[in-house]
Amino acid sequence: AQSVSQHNHHVILSEAASLELGCNYSYGGTVNLFWYVQYPGQHLQLLLKYFSGDPLVKGIKGFEAEFIKSKFSFNLRKPSVQWSDTAEYFCAVTSAGSGGSNYKLTFGKGTLLTVNP
Amino acid sequence: DVKVTQSSRYLVKRTGEKVFLECVQDMDHENMFWYRQDPGLGLRLIYFSYDVKMKEKGDIPEGYSVSREKKERFSLILESASTNQTSMYLCASSLGSWGYTFGSGTRLTVV
Repeated sequence: AQSVSQHNHHVILSEAASLELGCNYSYGGTVNLFWYVQYPGQHLQLLLKYFSGDPLVKGIKGFEAEFIKSKFSFNLRKPSVQWSDTAEYFCAVTSAGSGGSNYKLTFGKGTLLTVNP
Repeated sequence: DVKVTQSSRYLVKRTGEKVFLECVQDMDHENMFWYRQDPGLGLRLIYFSYDVKMKEKGDIPEGYSVSREKKERFSLILESASTNQTSMYLCASSLGSWGYTFGSGTRLTVV
């Protein structure tokens, strides 16, 4: 069974600081990886996803993530955060296979990011 | 725009009641999912369905059942609601792994 581990429960930064949120997954096969964001009171939104190809993936709002297969990691980064980035961030994984239970999306426990102005 | 609609935003039920949470998607997606979201625990999969009348248990199916009679509708059923089922429930749908769309959630309180 697949699982996802997010290292930090709560991260507090000042505006303009750089951000890196850790994500490690456990699965024996090829995976698809995702980062989602949930702003206060809003529904989950996709930030970026990795299926194959270039391991450095760029998403919306200046976020990027790097897939390091040897480390089973998919860390999220942003060079300079803004107050509006305050939200909860979730890493998620599916099997890269097709059909049925391969589409099961498994989430980490989330990291709450607070950006102080 | 692609949409997943959950019938209720807030719901308050009594212990022991049978509760139905409804979810409808308008994208002709084959896969539908029910998660519950709790602080510090992230999103945990309750059940999912990859075709009409097909269902598979997720990580925390105990106390829940589901129904998918039509492709666009996926219902979560709490046979006898308990206070530990107080939570935010999220429905999602997907076409393969290409895109998962989430509903706005139903905040269920069991008293």
